[in-house]
Amino acid sequence: GAVVSQHPSRVICKSGTSVKIECRSLDFQATTMFWYRQFPKQSLMLMATSNEGSKATYEQGVEKDKFLINHASLTLSTLTVTSAHPEDSSFYICSARDVAGGFTDTQYFGPGTRLTVL
Amino acid sequence: GESVGLHLPTLSVQEGDNSIINCAYSNSASDYFIWYKQESGKGPQFIIDIRSNMDKRQGQRVTVLLNKTVKHLSLQIAATQPGDSAVYFCAEISSGSARQLTFGSGTQLTVLP
Repeated sequence: GAVVSQHPSRVICKSGTSVKIECRSLDFQATTMFWYRQFPKQSLMLMATSNEGSKATYEQGVEKDKFLINHASLTLSTLTVTSAHPEDSSFYICSARDVAGGFTDTQYFGPGTRLTVL
Repeated sequence: GESVGLHLPTLSVQEGDNSIINCAYSNSASDYFIWYKQESGKGPQFIIDIRSNMDKRQGQRVTVLLNKTVKHLSLQIAATQPGDSAVYFCAEISSGSARQLTFGSGTQLTVLP
């Protein structure tokens, strides 16, 4: 089946630093990838939709200058949390949508990245 | 605004019993629904999906029922096992070009020995 990986799985950083999270589709191509954030005991909240070769679309309330998204290829999207603060500590999850086939709703999720900002 | 919600935040069942997890949705334009399982510290795992032109869909030990009249979705797990303990989310996709997932609040399923 389709596999999505994320790197790193865990990261601890100091307040004020930037952190980059990678999301890769390993065995399929994805024109669209999604970034979600999940706080403890809460649901997944969509942050942004990442489209290959174009600017990401951010959800209301998500700062595009703080959460930089780059989708440079059909298998890689990156999320950079700039000037991270403790309130940015969360579980970040990406998903990718397979371009192949006629049914395009299926999203495959990565294992998540636990970000802790000290 | 539109939302997808769950009736119960927690559910405990005895091993071997059947589990039923419910979900209410409010967006009548939703045409695709998915159930995900999320274990602690991991990403969501696809369980089963159903389109709005269907009422029922069965998988291995799981069944999803869709009642469009009352905007209700349920996940039935047969012969619940300890490995089924996790948080279960329903999610919807509304008709339109964006095809974004909207997740419900989640139900913590605990399987008792």
